[in-house]
Amino acid sequence: RKEVEQDPGPFNVPEGATVAFNCTYSNSASQSFFWYRQDCRKEPKLLMSVYSSGNEDGRFTAQLNRASQYISLLIRDSKLSDSATYLCVVSEGSGAGSYQLTFGKGTKLSVIP
Amino acid sequence: EADIYQTPRYLVIGTGKKITLECSQTMGHDKMYWYQQDPGMELHLIHYSYGVNSTEKGDLSSESTVSRIRTEHFPLTLESARPSHTSQYLCASSEDRNEKLFFGSGTQLSVL
Repeated sequence: RKEVEQDPGPFNVPEGATVAFNCTYSNSASQSFFWYRQDCRKEPKLLMSVYSSGNEDGRFTAQLNRASQYISLLIRDSKLSDSATYLCVVSEGSGAGSYQLTFGKGTKLSVIP
Repeated sequence: EADIYQTPRYLVIGTGKKITLECSQTMGHDKMYWYQQDPGMELHLIHYSYGVNSTEKGDLSSESTVSRIRTEHFPLTLESARPSHTSQYLCASSEDRNEKLFFGSGTQLSVL
């Protein structure tokens, strides 16, 4: 079983639409959660961290459900510039203050005019 | 913007050649990482370092080696390139005790 699973998509949505991505993780001891954005042939960049209480940054809202072991990303009022692959990243503590990050394969979003 | 740089951006090389992919960061980060990513696939950790003279192998078996003689520099070397090494190689760094990763632009390696 994959440690971090995402629906690969692609999600093709019109401008202005609201779109939601889910990500499930297998290790219940996972401690930190992130969404990264990766444009085609570019490096990943941190979009936002995901906190237990849920957090919002403009049009983006991230939520964590520890009981069901999934995190979500909601994008409201989609823009053409939101087209990218969204990577779910989960961190597990590996002792002595260190940690290991596990990346999902990503969900591809295409926002259409 | 992240101050982490990778060279070359693209590299096409013949089988059997020795290559070194360069990665440098000017943020003073102790932690540095090398990831490998194939198109449409997840990133796989191949090497990491928590400071000078500290290097560890990651989750994905790799025939490459790394060194960390200076904080800012974390080169990756392939002694004898093969077509199976064709991939994108991404270098990243993070602050100590901070899990946010800053990535370089990557090196797209093609071995013929």
